[in-house]
Amino acid sequence: GQNIDQPTEMTATEGAIVQINCTYQTSGFNGLFWYQQHAGEAPTFLSYNVLDGLEEKGRFSSFLSRSKGYSYLLLKELQMKDSASYLCAVRDSNYQLIWGAGTKLIIKP
Amino acid sequence: IAGITQAPTSQILAAGRRMTLRCTQDMRHNAMYWYRQDLGLGLRLIHYSNTAGTTGKGEVPDGYSVSRANTDDFPLTLASAVPSQTSVYFCASSLGPNNEQFFGPGTRLTVL
Repeated sequence: GQNIDQPTEMTATEGAIVQINCTYQTSGFNGLFWYQQHAGEAPTFLSYNVLDGLEEKGRFSSFLSRSKGYSYLLLKELQMKDSASYLCAVRDSNYQLIWGAGTKLIIKP
Repeated sequence: IAGITQAPTSQILAAGRRMTLRCTQDMRHNAMYWYRQDLGLGLRLIHYSNTAGTTGKGEVPDGYSVSRANTDDFPLTLASAVPSQTSVYFCASSLGPNNEQFFGPGTRLTVL
C-alpha cells in the first residue's frame, strides 16, 4: 500500500528553527510537495522537490532523499503566523498526489 | 472571480438527499480535483479531470460523481448522501497533472 508518515504535532518557540519530517512508501515517485494549511483554510503550496537535495525559499527549506524515502521541511526564524498544519504529499506513478495526515505546528512566544 | 471558488461554503443535508458542490476556476487550468479532508486523515482524492471532457476516479470515488463540460467548472454530485460523507470538501486545480495544485476555500458538508 501507499503510506506517508509525519508527526501529528510539534511545538516550537518563536524565533527558533523547527524541522518537520516526512517518510513515504508509494508506488512510484514523481515529486514531493509541502503545503501549509491554517485552521479552517485551504492548503497553500510551499515547496516542491523532485531531485535529491535542499531547496531553499526564504525562511523555508525542503530536503529530499529519494533512496531513503525521506523529506523534511525546515522553518527558520519562526513567527507566530507559522502556526499551522504542514502537509507532505507525494506524486505517485499515476501522477496522483498521496497526502500525509499533516503535522500541526504550535508556536509559543 | 480570482482563482478558484467553491459553493456553498457550508451545508447541512438530510441523508438520502442529492447535493451538488460547485467549483469554478478562472486560471485556465487544465486539471481539476476533488478531495475530502477528515480529521486525522490526509486529503483523499475523490475524482479528478486532467482536461475538459475527461474524468477519472481517485482513491474514494464511491457515492460521488463528477462532470467536466468545460475548462472552468468541475461540479461534484452526491446522488444520495450518507452520514459518512460528512467532511470538508476541497476543489483544486493545476495547470497540468505535473504542476502544483491550487485549492479552493472548501465546503463544509454535514449529512444527518
